Amino acid sequence: EAQVTQNPRYLITVTGKKLTVTCSQNMNHEYMSWYRQDPGLGLRQIYYSMNVEVTDKGDVPEGYKVSRKEKRNFPLILESPSPNQTSLYFCASSLDTPRSPLHFGNGTRLTVT
Amino acid sequence: DAKTTQPNSMESNEEEPVHLPCNHSTISGTDYIHWYRQLPSQGPEYVIHGLTSNVNNRMASLAIAEDRKSSTLILHRATLRDAAVYYCILRGMNTGNQFYFGTGTSLTVIP
Repeated sequence: EAQVTQNPRYLITVTGKKLTVTCSQNMNHEYMSWYRQDPGLGLRQIYYSMNVEVTDKGDVPEGYKVSRKEKRNFPLILESPSPNQTSLYFCASSLDTPRSPLHFGNGTRLTVT
Repeated sequence: DAKTTQPNSMESNEEEPVHLPCNHSTISGTDYIHWYRQLPSQGPEYVIHGLTSNVNNRMASLAIAEDRKSSTLILHRATLRDAAVYYCILRGMNTGNQFYFGTGTSLTVIP
């Protein structure tokens, strides 16, 4: 089944403790991206990647890192999480054409205390 | 900036048609109009997309204005399962791969 898989679904951590949220897709998509969703602010793009070893900042990249060493994986790294990064995170992927729909994962709810 | 504008919320009675509008006055000739919906506690899912002509699929219809500065997602008979947040975004050569989702339109379906 074609899908985007995020792990974990829920994560509670403390300020400053490094964490990684994984994202994997099995559709051979070139494009992958990360979003955060906060009440009243909608979906905002954090980082995106056009292909292996190619990443770029979205609208809200501060405090986040990403890597794209393999085509199927696009982990989101929080080196030193802070409470303002408490949010619902979504990973998405697609083919690199304007016609191609985005496929989203089921989300990761992160709480930083 | 390839942004879209949608009403914050709309209501519809069950089994009636719903017309969800989206304004995209800065659209360029190569931008596709995509619609997604997000059900409670789920990630957004693709609904439909189009470039210039109206489009139909099993989920909905997309009506695109002649000047392409606006579009309307049409749900022909709203069901309770259609209650969701609906987003329209632009995707094309000029938008690159930064997509503006905004807050979308929250659709309430009244039984």
